[in-house]
Amino acid sequence: QKEVEQNSGPLSVPEGAIASLNCTYSDRGSQSFFWYRQYSGKSPELIMFIYSNGDKEDGRFTAQLNKASQYVSLLIRDSQPSDSATYLCAVNIVSNDMRFGAGTRLTVKP
Amino acid sequence: EADIYQTPRYLVIGTGKKITLECSQTMGHDKMYWYQQDPGMELHLIHYSYGVNSTEKGDLSSESTVSRIRTEHFPLTLESARPSHTSQYLCASKGSGETQYFGPGTRLLVL
Repeated sequence: QKEVEQNSGPLSVPEGAIASLNCTYSDRGSQSFFWYRQYSGKSPELIMFIYSNGDKEDGRFTAQLNKASQYVSLLIRDSQPSDSATYLCAVNIVSNDMRFGAGTRLTVKP
Repeated sequence: EADIYQTPRYLVIGTGKKITLECSQTMGHDKMYWYQQDPGMELHLIHYSYGVNSTEKGDLSSESTVSRIRTEHFPLTLESARPSHTSQYLCASKGSGETQYFGPGTRLLVL
């Protein structure tokens, strides 16, 4: 079992819709969770991170954690074509290092 | 936010050549990482370092080597480049916080 798993997609949503991205993680001791966005040919950039004590909203983005089920989600409201990218979920593992999922490719259609 | 730099950004080179990919960060981060990523594929950790004179191999077997003589500098070397080394190489760093910050990457093409 991979430490961080994501559906590779592609996930396609119409412009203005809510995009929902999920990942599951295996290390129950993980305390912090990250979402990165990666445009084609570019390097990953951090969108937001959350700790195990709660969800977080930042503009159109909301990150949610379900510790009991060991999954993290990212909701993108009012999706725009510029949101089309691959979204990487990352989790800090007990050794205080980070593990990345393979990413979910999102396409927002005008 | 970290300032992390990679050079060259693009490199086309012939088989058998020795190459060094440079990575530098100006934030005094102790931890640095090298990832390899093929187009549309996942990140693979190939090397990491937790500080000066500390280097470890990552999850993906790689023919490259790294060194960490100075905190800010973490170069990656391929002694003899092969077409199978064609990929994008991403450097990242992490300080006392929990976030890894990525450099812009080096796209390598070995002919």
